[in-house]
Amino acid sequence: AQRVTQPEKLLSVFKGAPVELKCNYSYSGSPELFWYVQYSRQRLQLLLRHISRESIKGFTADLNKGETSFHLKKPFAQEEDSAMYYCALSGFGNEKLTFGTGTRLTIIP
Amino acid sequence: EPEVTQTPSHQVTQMGQEVILRCVPISNHLYFYWYRQILGQKVEFLVSFYNNEISEKSEIFDDQFSVERPDGSNFTLKIRSTKLEDSAMYFCASSVRELTEAFFGQGTRLTVV
Repeated sequence: AQRVTQPEKLLSVFKGAPVELKCNYSYSGSPELFWYVQYSRQRLQLLLRHISRESIKGFTADLNKGETSFHLKKPFAQEEDSAMYYCALSGFGNEKLTFGTGTRLTIIP
Repeated sequence: EPEVTQTPSHQVTQMGQEVILRCVPISNHLYFYWYRQILGQKVEFLVSFYNNEISEKSEIFDDQFSVERPDGSNFTLKIRSTKLEDSAMYFCASSVRELTEAFFGQGTRLTVV
């Protein structure tokens, strides 16, 4: 079975402060991890995926297989980062996405 | 930029009625999906569709659900006899191939009364 855990439902951070959104997963095979973001009144959109190793909008996430984690980080939060963030997992031969419950990030000006 | 389009944006239906939720995936995509999100809960996978057949479905996707790609552009989700617990936001998504980025539609909010 595959499972994604996002322990924080809500997270408030001051503008300019570092952000870390936690994500842990459970999967017996080789996982593909994603972060999706949903800004107010917009659709779910891909923020980044571990395989691409990119930094998008200043966000990075490193897959730690030992700790089964894929935490999302940004060194300096901006007001436009306020959104709902979902960690998601899929695997080879298994194209469905399994989502975590999401973390609502609020950046305090 | 191409987008996944869903109609209607909001549907209210009486319990026991049939509903069809419609989606137009991105044109060169080959994999199609339906997900749902009950208010306050996580986004849950319902079904994936490839090469004109269901490739995977969840436990939620029981006999009252069906999917169809009737004309090569639309991708529909039919709920045969709606129940109150079917009230949710339903998201359609598509991807070029497996394990690539899934592009999501805006969702259809289904309210069963």
